[in-house]
Amino acid sequence: DAKTTQPTSMDCAEGRAANLPCNHSTISGNEYVYWYRQIHSQGPQYIIHGLKNNETNEMASLIITEDRKSSTLILPHATLRDTAVYYCIVRVGGGGTSYGKLTFGQGTILTVHP
Amino acid sequence: GAGVSQTPSNKVTEKGKYVELRCDPISGHTALYWYRQSLGQGPEFLIYFQGTGAADDSGLPNDRFFAVRPEGSVSTLKIQRTERGDSAVYLCASSSGWGHEAFFGQGTRLTVV
Repeated sequence: DAKTTQPTSMDCAEGRAANLPCNHSTISGNEYVYWYRQIHSQGPQYIIHGLKNNETNEMASLIITEDRKSSTLILPHATLRDTAVYYCIVRVGGGGTSYGKLTFGQGTILTVHP
Repeated sequence: GAGVSQTPSNKVTEKGKYVELRCDPISGHTALYWYRQSLGQGPEFLIYFQGTGAADDSGLPNDRFFAVRPEGSVSTLKIQRTERGDSAVYLCASSSGWGHEAFFGQGTRLTVV
């Protein structure tokens, strides 16, 4: 699986947009970009994923560069409850037999402050 | 239940004992994953099942660790001769297949004393 690089920590003011970057310069054509977050003492929570196109759901937006070597997770209006570790993962996919392993790195600790 | 269920939520065992950790995936999910997480670290992959078979067990640290999923639903992670270094949160996740998001349980906190 391609390795990802994320900042160790970020701060964001409540109500503002949080933009979390991720570099995945060695991503290959069949790898998806996934974002998960983990709030203290809970299991990781799926946020969003994409292959090439930008994606949006009720939680966040995912912007993937045209060359797919980096992406940004956007939380449009961060709240205190968004304080968590955010993981950017690239995941091998392929036809035939599924291969679904997610490989977590260290993630970004996002702190949302009042 | 609607989500992935793991039991027990906490387990304390003595060094050298055998433990079993259980995972009930979301109904209908064919893929099931086990991870473990040490304090301050991201989850570390252990094993991945597609149906009843282990598609990738490359993350199991040694032969003391074993996992089964005999009917393609519930899975059990088994640890023999536990060591203090096995202490961690063991996470289970399931998904409906390739390219689909994985949903995680709350984990089992294993403490080996």
